[in-house]
Amino acid sequence: KAGVTQTPRYLIKTRGQQVTLSCSPISGHRSVSWYQQTPGQGLQFLFEYFSETQRNKGNFPGRFSGRQFSNSRSEMNVSTLELGDSALYLCASSLAGVRTEAFFGQGTRLTVV
Amino acid sequence: GQQVMQIPQYQHVQEGEDFTTYCNSSTTLSNIQWYKQRPGGHPVFLIQLVKSGEVKKQKRLTFQFGEAKKNSSLHITATQTTDVGTYFCAGQGGSEKLVFGKGTKLTVNP
Repeated sequence: KAGVTQTPRYLIKTRGQQVTLSCSPISGHRSVSWYQQTPGQGLQFLFEYFSETQRNKGNFPGRFSGRQFSNSRSEMNVSTLELGDSALYLCASSLAGVRTEAFFGQGTRLTVV
Repeated sequence: GQQVMQIPQYQHVQEGEDFTTYCNSSTTLSNIQWYKQRPGGHPVFLIQLVKSGEVKKQKRLTFQFGEAKKNSSLHITATQTTDVGTYFCAGQGGSEKLVFGKGTKLTVNP
C-alpha cells in the first residue's frame, strides 16, 4: 500500500511569509501527527489530529496551526515565518495515535531566508 | 513536562563491534517505541515495548524496557555498515503524546 506522502518536498520562503504543508496518510489511518526536526532539538511534536479533531498539541507558538480533512489528509500552516522555522517537517500517520506504530513521510524541508 | 533523554549523542564503532543506546524518561511510560533514521531519510519504526521488563529481539537488535518503565535500551550485536543512522526512542507518558529523545547517531567504520 502507498506510504505517507508529503508535499512539497522542498520549500524556500522569506521571513514574514506564510506556508502550507500537506500530508496524505496511509489509507485507513485516522491519526496524523506533525513533527519539527532540527539538528539541535531533534524531533519535536507539533500536534496530532484524529478524525478531523486536534487531539494533542505541542509547545509551539500559535503561528503553527493545522487541520485535518474528512479523508484524513492533513495540512500544517506556519504564518509570519521566522528564520528559526527552517527545519524538516515530518508527518506521521497511524491507525489510532501514539499507542500504535507511526509511519513517517519523507518530510518537507523548509528554508526561511 | 515529560522529558526523554537519550545517550550517547554520537557513537562511532568499527564494523563487528557492539553498540548500545540508552533512553531515560523523567516519568513512567505507558509504552516506548524505537525508530531508525538513515542519513537523508525519515524515521522508520523498529519496535514498541509495553510491558515492564520486556525484552524483544530482532535478529542482531535487542530492545529492553526497564522494570520501572522509565528507561529502555537498544543493543546491536556485531554492527554492520547497514546499521548506520540515527536511532531514536520515543516514549508515551500520561498524555497522548510521543516524546522523542534526541537520538544517537551511529557511524560504522568498515
